[in-house]
Amino acid sequence: RKEVEQDPGPFNVPEGATVAFNCTYSNSASQSFFWYRQDCRKEPKLLMSVYSSGNEDGRFTAQLNRASQYISLLIRDSKLSDSATYLCVVMEGATNKLIFGTGTLLAVQP
Amino acid sequence: EAGVTQSPTHLIKTRGQQATLRCSPISGHTSVYWYQQALGLGLQFLLWYDEGEERNRGNFPPRFSGRQFPNYSSELNVNALELEDSALYLCASSLGRVSLINKYFGAGTRLSVL
Repeated sequence: RKEVEQDPGPFNVPEGATVAFNCTYSNSASQSFFWYRQDCRKEPKLLMSVYSSGNEDGRFTAQLNRASQYISLLIRDSKLSDSATYLCVVMEGATNKLIFGTGTLLAVQP
Repeated sequence: EAGVTQSPTHLIKTRGQQATLRCSPISGHTSVYWYQQALGLGLQFLLWYDEGEERNRGNFPPRFSGRQFPNYSSELNVNALELEDSALYLCASSLGRVSLINKYFGAGTRLSVL
């Protein structure tokens, strides 16, 4: 079983749609959780951290369920510029190592 | 403020050669991390340096090595290059070893092994 699992997609959605990405992780001792965005042939950039209480940044909402070892990202009113690969990332506290999912490709269509 | 910078942007080598990749962290950051992103695969953790010492390494053979200099910049060396080493190599830096600190990535070095 992979340490961090994501649906690879692609998710093809029209502009304005709401899209949700899910991610599961295997190490219950994982301490920190993030969503990164990676544009084609570019480096990953931090989109947002994920907390158990949930956090929202504009059109983006992230949620963590520690009991289920599940992380989600919701994008509302999607824009063409949201087209990218979204990476679910888990940090091991002991090793300070980021474990990346393979990413979910989002393509927002006009 | 300058972000994480990596050089070169692209590197072309042949099998058996050695490659050296360089990374300068964000000013004030003491930890440097190296990741490999091969085509079709997720980012794989390679190495973590902090305060000049190797703190952790991923599941890669010993021909992947590196070091961190007193100014916290870092080099990744890949010896005896193999075709499957072709990948985007990303460097990230963070402020110290505190686990909750987010990491910031450089633009990467794209290594092609022919």
